[in-house]
Amino acid sequence: ETGVTQTPRHLVMGMTNKKSLKCEQHLGHNAMYWYKQSAKKPLELMFVYSLEERVENNSVPSRFSPECPNSSHLFLHLHTLQPEDSALYLCASSQVLDSSYEQYFGPGTRLTVT
Amino acid sequence: GQNIDQPTEMTATEGAIVQINCTYQTSGFNGLFWYQQHAGEAPTFLSYNVLDGLEEKGRFSSFLSRSKGYSYLLLKELQMKDSASYLCAVRDSNYQLIWGAGTKLIIKP
Repeated sequence: ETGVTQTPRHLVMGMTNKKSLKCEQHLGHNAMYWYKQSAKKPLELMFVYSLEERVENNSVPSRFSPECPNSSHLFLHLHTLQPEDSALYLCASSQVLDSSYEQYFGPGTRLTVT
Repeated sequence: GQNIDQPTEMTATEGAIVQINCTYQTSGFNGLFWYQQHAGEAPTFLSYNVLDGLEEKGRFSSFLSRSKGYSYLLLKELQMKDSASYLCAVRDSNYQLIWGAGTKLIIKP
């Protein structure tokens, strides 16, 4: 248990569906992250929030839409996804942005797009 | 471009020692991390190196040579529970983490 929780753990959705992934951290951290992890590929950073403000968007398609209502919660809204979006989506948090502090990861949401 | 290289898979025997290498080419350097990830679980932090040399933490040690763009993770007295993927990540000059694809370590009895 790392102090970062994610729901749901597994999600199967059609290409026309709309769904949301939720992340919550109980560590009092100021920075939160969304990553995509595909088999045998490096972790891909999708979005970064610091003190509830988005600071990074690494050319992610608009069908992924993040939301950070407060420093403890992070959402990833999904709509009209493609089969290649099937992957493990990991949320992480760190004490502050841009530092030597390690990131704490949630268990991930295994997403399958049919 | 920025690149992190590590072997895709390694096999070792219970009780033995294994060294997992990581080489990197990044725009600047602000530290190197090693994470462990068991199948179906979250990555968990193992070690952080920012200066050259060896950092020891129990059965695990991590080494860094900044001039060579090289690090290794050394695991001693291997246990079956050490079967996992080991991820190397480098923080570049913009403080962005660049990740390797991970090394899957298989421990055999």
